[in-house]
Amino acid sequence: KQEVTQIPAALSVPEGENLVLNCSFTDSAIYNLQWFRQDPGKGLTSLLLIQSSQREQTSGRLNASLDKSSGRSTLYIAASQPGDSATYLCAVEEDDKLIFGTGTRLQVFP
Amino acid sequence: DTAVSQTPKYLVTQMGNDKSIKCEQNLGHDTMYWYKQDSKKFLKIMFSYNNKELIINETVPNRFSPKSPDKAHLNLHINSLELGDSAVYFCASSPGRVGALEQFFGPGTRLTVL
Repeated sequence: KQEVTQIPAALSVPEGENLVLNCSFTDSAIYNLQWFRQDPGKGLTSLLLIQSSQREQTSGRLNASLDKSSGRSTLYIAASQPGDSATYLCAVEEDDKLIFGTGTRLQVFP
Repeated sequence: DTAVSQTPKYLVTQMGNDKSIKCEQNLGHDTMYWYKQDSKKFLKIMFSYNNKELIINETVPNRFSPKSPDKAHLNLHINSLELGDSAVYFCASSPGRVGALEQFFGPGTRLTVL
């Protein structure tokens, strides 16, 4: 049974720092991995999708990597800003569904 | 031009009642989903429909009945509501099934059962 874990569970950093959020999964037979952000009381916004054949994807200050064989993905946020404060969720797709991680709650203070 | 919309946004009701949540997507996607986010913020798949056909029923109690009148709509009806049903329910859609297909989420419906 697939299990997705994210560490750290919470992170509080000053503005400007570069950050790494970690996601690990137990079964490497995935179709893709997706990173989302969730703002308090809001829905999920898709940030990056990495297909199983890809190693990384970039969008602006965000870079996500995928190492399927070791069951790991990292989300790198460069030059963090207070507007990046949110919960970040990773999810792996297998068998027509997304299996979500436990989330990392990020706070970036000025 | 909301991509995935849900109504209502908030729903407060008594135990034992029956309620429905509606979801619509205007992205032209073939596949729609319902997810449940519990009090610990853990998100889990409930149902998946592809072109109005049920694909996934993730051992959800049969008090929950999804209905897809067309591929742009996936509604969730809940009978005999229980306290444990209190959660945020998210609808999502993707272009199709299986593999490298980004999912887009609605804003969620916060259900509170008293």
